[in-house]
Amino acid sequence: ETGVTQSPTHLIKTRGQQVTLRCSSQSGHNTVSWYQQALGQGPQFIFQYYREEENGRGNFPPRFSGLQFPNYSSELNVNALELDDSALYLCASSLSAGASSSEQFFGPGTRLTVL
Amino acid sequence: GNSVTQMEGPVTLSEEAFLTINCTYTATGYPSLFWYVQYPGEGLQLLLKATKADDKGSNKGFEATYRKETTSFHLEKGSVQVSDSAVYFCALSHPNNNDMRFGAGTRLTVKP
Repeated sequence: ETGVTQSPTHLIKTRGQQVTLRCSSQSGHNTVSWYQQALGQGPQFIFQYYREEENGRGNFPPRFSGLQFPNYSSELNVNALELDDSALYLCASSLSAGASSSEQFFGPGTRLTVL
Repeated sequence: GNSVTQMEGPVTLSEEAFLTINCTYTATGYPSLFWYVQYPGEGLQLLLKATKADDKGSNKGFEATYRKETTSFHLEKGSVQVSDSAVYFCALSHPNNNDMRFGAGTRLTVKP
């Protein structure tokens, strides 16, 4: 059974650019959640996708957007990058929607640096 | 809103010492509570969880009890090992929403 994978592992962008991060969910999981983890902080919920639809969103501006594909893999897109977007971006997949209803399995993350 | 406050680190212990990492929460109703562990260079792994008051979660010698009266979920281990060195996150989720709220994390270093 393949776990949650994310790509790329590291990324360097400049302010104002756009970035796309990718996540492959664990086999059989239909729900993907994205988190932003700033250095020295806990993860902050960005949004969740369930069966290709957004299913909850945290306190992030609209320039953070996402997609989920029929195979349940997912993308996180960030437009107009700002310096404060520098963080580790974590993807987590689960068997069903709702953070309390089933365990979330986390990928290793993508480290984004904005210069 | 829902939130988690956990003990600030870093925590440094000698091998076989007793570990306590404090975690308190603020939430309406009955959230589920979790402890996650993050080893260097890896993603978060669920360590244990509890879904209702007085439940005790346990795994790999770690334990935490859901205390509604004190809104706490403190992590304990009787005898830590060097391999337990990692960052530990307390988290909660509420059945009415889909996000998980994490504490800031506590870095534990265990020395031989």
